[in-house]
Amino acid sequence: DADVTQTPRNRITKTGKRIMLECSQTKGHDRMYWYRQDPGLGLRLIYYSFDVKDINKGEISDGYSVSRQAQAKFSLSLESAIPNQTALYFCATSDGGRDEQYFGPGTRLTVT
Amino acid sequence: QKEVEQNSGPLSVPEGAIASLNCTYSDRVSQSFFWYRQYSGKSPELIMSIYSNGDKEDGRFTAQLNKASQYVSLLIRDSQPSDSATYLCAVKPTDSSYKLIFGSGTRLLVRP
Repeated sequence: DADVTQTPRNRITKTGKRIMLECSQTKGHDRMYWYRQDPGLGLRLIYYSFDVKDINKGEISDGYSVSRQAQAKFSLSLESAIPNQTALYFCATSDGGRDEQYFGPGTRLTVT
Repeated sequence: QKEVEQNSGPLSVPEGAIASLNCTYSDRVSQSFFWYRQYSGKSPELIMSIYSNGDKEDGRFTAQLNKASQYVSLLIRDSQPSDSATYLCAVKPTDSSYKLIFGSGTRLLVRP
């Protein structure tokens, strides 16, 4: 089984809809991250969490919110989706004592 | 100036050749450096990490770090068509305890 899972893997939604992307991990890592990837722009950090009670904004948090339901679960919500939020979204995890980050399989989100 | 810069490519090499991928970074006191491989439509996969000046070898991969010149490179020996992917360079700035800065990636094509 994959160490980091994301659901859904693909989603098409309409402008103005609320959508939630979910991430779960069995690696036992304390830190979790949400990134988006756009062609030519690379990976950009949306939110990160060091533990259940420690959640922080990344470089592009506007229009997004997150919830850390447990050490193993970190969800990303788009409150009112807009077309420029069409992107590939990745969850990642890391062990607090190390810098390496490990990525989930990604969610391809299309907002029409 | 971008914080982490990579040539977007594509870098095209014949099968069996050495592929050389380069990355420069702007934060001269960065300490941790990573190479990720990303196949089209898939998630980034960590393949190498390097923390000290010099070379680090792992199988067909060698990472090279030169902090004085602020560059890190990845050599792939005996390149195979299955190595065709986008390679992302990531750097951890020293002013951050969590953040990795990713380059936009170099696309590698290995011709059979």
